[in-house]
Amino acid sequence: EPEVTQTPSHQVTQMGQEVILRCVPISNHLYFYWYRQILGQKVEFLVSFYNNEISEKSEIFDDQFSVERPDGSNFTLKIRSTKLEDSAMYFCASSELSNEQFFGPGTRLTVL
Amino acid sequence: AQSVSQHNHHVILSEAASLELGCNYSYGGTVNLFWYVQYPGQHLQLLLKYFSGDPLVKGIKGFEAEFIKSKFSFNLRKPSVQWSDTAEYFCAVNARSSNTGKLIFGQGTTLQVKP
Repeated sequence: EPEVTQTPSHQVTQMGQEVILRCVPISNHLYFYWYRQILGQKVEFLVSFYNNEISEKSEIFDDQFSVERPDGSNFTLKIRSTKLEDSAMYFCASSELSNEQFFGPGTRLTVL
Repeated sequence: AQSVSQHNHHVILSEAASLELGCNYSYGGTVNLFWYVQYPGQHLQLLLKYFSGDPLVKGIKGFEAEFIKSKFSFNLRKPSVQWSDTAEYFCAVNARSSNTGKLIFGQGTTLQVKP
């Protein structure tokens, strides 16, 4: 069964450093998403991406964040200058239409 | 603004007990409704979904949920839980009118089933 994959599973970085989180969505899916979950809190929507552009973003998704689909398979989330409060689990998801989303296993980001 | 509320944060049951996890949402329009499960160390998996039609939906592993429009609720049920149902359960909604599919999640319910 096709699945969404994410790398790395755990990323540790120093405050102020740039990180890139990688995702490979399911191959025939058209909609791509990033969510995050700070420990003990809700899963929060960050951004949706369709047709090579951002279709919606949350207030959390400020200028420090960017997304890219650099080739036909990868979907990346970049945080330019990480803050302590960016420490969270980041989930990538994809969907064929804008309804049922399939989630990856997540990347745990720890900012020191 | 859309919001989702799950009534129970932590539920502990013995095997064979019945389960009901509450979920209420706040949104003025028509929604799609979902329950996701996250087993320890694994990713979010879809348990069941409601888009339209019969408000009683059946999902995987014997779970079901009932959409009650008048109560803005979508409670998850299972008649007899197993130890393997130990997991975190998330209710989520998106607006049917949305062309992005953004999901709004509840805070999650941790279910612990004692053998």
